[in-house]
Amino acid sequence: DVKVTQSSRYLVKRTGEKVFLECVQDMDHENMFWYRQDPGLGLRLIYFSYDVKMKEKGDIPEGYSVSREKKERFSLILESASTNQTSMYLCASSKVVPDTQYFGPGTRLTVL
Amino acid sequence: DQQVKQNSPSLSVQEGRISILNCDYTNSMFDYFLWYKKYPAEGPTFLISISSIKDKNEDGRFTVFLNKSAKHLSLHIVPSQPGDSAVYFCAASKGGGNKLTFGTGTQLKVEL
Repeated sequence: DVKVTQSSRYLVKRTGEKVFLECVQDMDHENMFWYRQDPGLGLRLIYFSYDVKMKEKGDIPEGYSVSREKKERFSLILESASTNQTSMYLCASSKVVPDTQYFGPGTRLTVL
Repeated sequence: DQQVKQNSPSLSVQEGRISILNCDYTNSMFDYFLWYKKYPAEGPTFLISISSIKDKNEDGRFTVFLNKSAKHLSLHIVPSQPGDSAVYFCAASKGGGNKLTFGTGTQLKVEL
C-alpha cells in the first residue's frame, strides 16, 4: 500500500520563526511535490523535485525553500514564517510521468 | 491566472441520482487530466484520469468525459452515494510533465 507521511498534522508557530515540514514516501518515487491548499484557491504548487538534490520552483515559491537529500524525503522550509503562510500544506509523490500523484494527510500550519 | 477552473464551488445531489462535476481549462497544451477526491483532514486521493487522445474513461461508478474543442471535462458519478460527499478537484498536466495544475475544487454533498 502506498504511503506518504508528513511529520505533523497540526503546527502552530510564531511570526519570524523558521519552520520545517517533513515528508517521507516509501514507494521509491522519483518525484515529490509540495502544495498549499487555501479556501477558494485550490491546490497551488510551491516546489517540486524530480531527483535527489534537484528542485524546481512551482507557482508560488516565494518565502519557501526545499531540501531533498534522500530519495524518500522532501522537506519544505519557511525561512521566516509570516501570517500569510497560514495554510494546509500537502506533500505528494509520483513515479514516472505522467502519473498519479499520491498525497500525504497534510499539515495544518498556523502562524501567529 | 487560473488555467483550470471549477466554477461551481458546491453541488448537492440526492442519493442514487447522478452527480456531474464540471471543469474548464484555458491552456490548450494540457494533455492529461485527473480527478481527485478529498475528505476533510485527509490528503487528496486519485479517482480517475483521461488522456487527451480519448474522450471518455470509465471506472465503475465514475466516468470522465473530455471535450477538447470546448476545453471542458466533466466527472459523472452514477449512482451517487453518501460516501461520495467530499471536495473534488480536477487537475491537468502538459507534455508528459510532472507538474499538475489544480482547479479550485467543488464540494459535493450527497443527501439521503
